[in-house]
Amino acid sequence: DAGVTQSPTHLIKTRGQHVTLRCSPISGHKSVSWYQQVLGQGPQFIFQYYEKEERGRGNFPDRFSARQFPNYSSELNVNALLLGDSALYLCASSLGSVEQFFGPGTRLTVL
Amino acid sequence: EDQVTQSPEALRLQEGESSSLNCSYTVSGLRGLFWYRQDPGKGPEFLFTLYSAGEEKEKERLKATLTKKESFLHITAPKPEDSATYLCAVQAFNNNDMRFGAGTRLTVKP
Repeated sequence: DAGVTQSPTHLIKTRGQHVTLRCSPISGHKSVSWYQQVLGQGPQFIFQYYEKEERGRGNFPDRFSARQFPNYSSELNVNALLLGDSALYLCASSLGSVEQFFGPGTRLTVL
Repeated sequence: EDQVTQSPEALRLQEGESSSLNCSYTVSGLRGLFWYRQDPGKGPEFLFTLYSAGEEKEKERLKATLTKKESFLHITAPKPEDSATYLCAVQAFNNNDMRFGAGTRLTVKP
């Protein structure tokens, strides 16, 4: 079975631009969570979606938004990019709310 | 507020030299404590979930234990391929997110 997949693998944007990151969960998993990981730190929670509804939101500005589609895939959108948004963005899927399985991540660089 | 502190930040071992990684936590009602392994530039790989104090889980050279305040990841006779960053995270009953520590970067020299 395929694990969690994310696209694109790498992305370079300039300040002020907008970015969309995509995630497909493990088959059968209905919950998707997004995390931001800055170099040298642990992942920081951004959003969780379950059955297309937002179930949790971390301490991130309104420039960050997400949605989940009927096939349980998900998008993370970030508007008005700042240099500090440069990070590895991780998607994780789970059957319920306990064990979460991560994808390979999208490396975002903001210049 | 839920908090996770991992120590040491970095650990260098010789192949075969056993050691332990520490994860101290504070959480309002622990739903689960998780250990992940992360290789550079990749997503975290799930290792263990522990639910209650006294619980232990093993996988190959790794053994995770849990008390009411901390968890240990014991590495027995490590090999160079065990080199990675090991992340600890907690989830509370009143939250759907996981709170991660900063990780312990383990290097095993042949």
